[in-house]
This record gives sequence, structure tokens and C-alpha cells, in this order.
Amino acid sequence: TQLLEQSPQFLSIQEGENLTVYCNSSSVFSSLQWYRQEPGEGPVLLVTVVTGGEVKKLKRLTFQFGDARKDSSLHITAAQPGDTGLYLCAGPPGGATNKLIFGTGTLLAVQP
Amino acid sequence: SAVISQKPSRDICQRGTSLTIQCQVDSQVTMMFWYRQQPGQSLTLIATANQGSEATYESGFVIDKFPISRPNLTFSTLTVSNMSPEDSSIYLCSVITTGPSTDTQYFGPGTRLTVL
Repeated sequence: TQLLEQSPQFLSIQEGENLTVYCNSSSVFSSLQWYRQEPGEGPVLLVTVVTGGEVKKLKRLTFQFGDARKDSSLHITAAQPGDTGLYLCAGPPGGATNKLIFGTGTLLAVQP
Repeated sequence: SAVISQKPSRDICQRGTSLTIQCQVDSQVTMMFWYRQQPGQSLTLIATANQGSEATYESGFVIDKFPISRPNLTFSTLTVSNMSPEDSSIYLCSVITTGPSTDTQYFGPGTRLTVL
């Protein structure tokens, strides 16, 4: 069974600080996605990474896919209260193309 | 893109009863899914809702407990049957749309279920 472990599980920081969230697996994934979920809403896709070593930037968010495609990281620069939410990585298990398994989640709170 | 609505948004139910959750999409989609999520935790896939055939259930989930209907390409229902407090959770509908270079998964806002 493929698992995606995220760390840390919880993170509470002050506005303006930087942070990194990690998503790790012992299995290779053809791609990984990152989602953010706010209370009372469904997850919203932030990015998809498909190539080992790939780095993608979305404003203050930087996503990296590990060279071996077993891990990914999300780095947020100068966090803002609007970044508060549950961050989830996800990937297709066993090369499946039509479903995802989700990571254990990282709950981020950015205090003003 | 796809806009997904779910009904009800939340409900409080008694043990032993059943609740049917509706999912409506604003466009025709082939792939529809139902997930369960404990608040603040990750998502677990319950089943894939197939149009015109029985749903495909993941390990640990069975049709008798979570019957699913998919009458057309824009609508699906999930029923949580014979509920117990352990079924208290958020239930999310999701679809995949195919783009020019990648597929994108969209989620509904979820149905928060509390079983007393």
C-alpha cells in the first residue's frame, strides 16, 4: 500500500515567517499534487509536479518534486493569515490515472 | 473547470437512520468520486461513481453501507446507511476534468454529518 506521510502535522507561525511542509513516501509516484483546504470547503488544487527535481512557483509558494519522485516539499515565504488552512499532498497510487491517495495533511495557522 | 454543489451542507442524524447526500456538477464529467474526511485530517476515497453501472468501492467500504447512484453525467448520490457515531465525518464529492495537458480534480464543499 502506498502511503504519503506529511510533516509537520500541525504548524502555528507568525505572519511574515517562512515554513516548509514535507510529503514523503517509500514508493515512486508518477506525479504529486498539492491542495489547500479551508474550513467548510473542499480541497483546491494548487499545483501538480510531474518531473523528478521539478520546481514550481506560485507567488510566495514554491513546490519541489524529489529527484526520485518519492517526496515533495512546499515552501511558503513570508506567510500571511490568508495562507491558513489544511495542506494536502496527493498522488495516483500504483500508476493509476483516475484516482488519488492523499497525504496525512498539515494544518497551518498563521497568526497576524 | 467544474463547480460542484452538495446537499445537505450539514446534518445531525440519529443512530440507525440513513442519509442521502446529493452531488451536482455544472458540466458533464466521466469520473465522479466520493471521499470521507475527519475534520482537519486527510481524505479517504470511498468509491468511484460510474455512470450506468455499479460503483467501484475501495477496500473497507461496501455497497450495503454506502450505496451510490449515478443516473447521469452531472449527478450522483451517496447514502450512508444504518448510521452509527463512527460515521460522523465530512463527505466530499469530487470530479476529474481532462485538460489539454493534465487532469484536474475538483471537490465539492462537503457534507458535515454528525451521528448521535
